[in-house]
Amino acid sequence: QKEVEQDPGPLSVPEGAIVSLNCTYSNSAFQYFMWYRQYSRKGPELLMYTYSSGNKEDGRFTAQVDKSSKYISLFIRDSQPSDSATYLCAMKAQGGSEKLVFGKGTKLTVNP
Amino acid sequence: DVKVTQSSRYLVKRTGEKVFLECVQDMDHENMFWYRQDPGLGLRLIYFSYDVKMKEKGDIPEGYSVSREKKERFSLILESASTNQTSMYLCASKLAGGGEQFFGPGTRLTVL
Repeated sequence: QKEVEQDPGPLSVPEGAIVSLNCTYSNSAFQYFMWYRQYSRKGPELLMYTYSSGNKEDGRFTAQVDKSSKYISLFIRDSQPSDSATYLCAMKAQGGSEKLVFGKGTKLTVNP
Repeated sequence: DVKVTQSSRYLVKRTGEKVFLECVQDMDHENMFWYRQDPGLGLRLIYFSYDVKMKEKGDIPEGYSVSREKKERFSLILESASTNQTSMYLCASKLAGGGEQFFGPGTRLTVL
């Protein structure tokens, strides 16, 4: 079983839709959870950062962590064509290795 | 704002050449990382550095070496470039113990 699983998509939605992106993980020691947005031919950009459980909201974006289910989600409300990108989840345990573990990314297209 | 810069956006080299990729961060981060990213394979860690002069192999170190003489700078060296090293190379940095990792814009390397 991979440490982090992420559906690669591709996911195609109409403008204005609510988008749900998800990752599951197996390591219960993960405490730091991140979502990155990567536009084509660019470096990943940190979008959301959550420590431990709970929700975090930033504008149209909401990150949720459910540690009991080992499941994290990123919701995008009122999606825009400019949201078209690949979204990567990443996680890290507290203490131990400094390395992040990444999902392979979900490619999202928002159609006008 | 955290800034991670990479010396080149695009680079074309010939098989057998020695290639240097440079990365500089301006936030006094202890940890620095080099990844390569290929379609369908996601981000793969080549090497990382806990601090100055400290390095550790990642998942795919073969054919690469690194140098970290100053805290802000982390160099990736391809000793003898081969065509299978054609890829997008991404540098990243973060504070020791923290989760938030910041990426540079990437270098797209083509080896002919």
